Amino acid sequence: QSALTQPASVSGSPGQSITISCTGTSSDVGGYNYVSWYQQHPGKAPKLMIYEVSNRPSGVSNRFSGSKSGNTASLTISGLQAEDEADYYCSSYTSSSTPWVFGGGTKLTVL
Amino acid sequence: QLQLQESGSGLVKPSQTLSLTCAVSGGSISSGGYSWSWIRQPPGKGLEWIGYIYHSGSTYYNPSLKSRVTISVDRSKNQFSLKLSSVTAADTAVYYCARAGNSDAFDIWGQGTMVTVSS
Repeated sequence: QSALTQPASVSGSPGQSITISCTGTSSDVGGYNYVSWYQQHPGKAPKLMIYEVSNRPSGVSNRFSGSKSGNTASLTISGLQAEDEADYYCSSYTSSSTPWVFGGGTKLTVL
Repeated sequence: QLQLQESGSGLVKPSQTLSLTCAVSGGSISSGGYSWSWIRQPPGKGLEWIGYIYHSGSTYYNPSLKSRVTISVDRSKNQFSLKLSSVTAADTAVYYCARAGNSDAFDIWGQGTMVTVSS
């Protein structure tokens, strides 16, 4: 069982917006602004999409945005495109036994 | 552009030791401010952080694996390595090496290497 809780799947049509949630505790998501999001296409390595809750690395589309409220972080993808179909994982720094925890992943389907 | 490349045995027998190396190119592993991690992903499952090593050589391991894990660095070869002992089928996974900076995010990943534990 993953330390951070994500929905198993979300879906949306091209052009729409979707939001993926990532729920933790005050020991991780709620306690630190070190939440990151990763996109993983089948057979590929994860790719950093958002760091420190809402920052985008250079080269990542501004259609991807992140936010946090309390113990829940969110990734929003606007203007859905076919190439956005992938698995998405959240991660957070944590004060527990490991420095990082991951969510279980969310499969995004673009209808 | 810094790149990471995993290498090692793709098939390991139960009870033996898994050994992988991550070669760093386009930059120095000795650069301050970064940690170098191993992360694994069992088939069809999520990501699990295994452990990291700092440029200084200090290490930190996932308590669930700590008794079996050793991560080391070879600065002369600009690479770091993972050893996981007493493996079982549950250790079958794609193993990634990755870099994290001050933002505590894994900004650079290797392409991953599949390791199967089977007799």
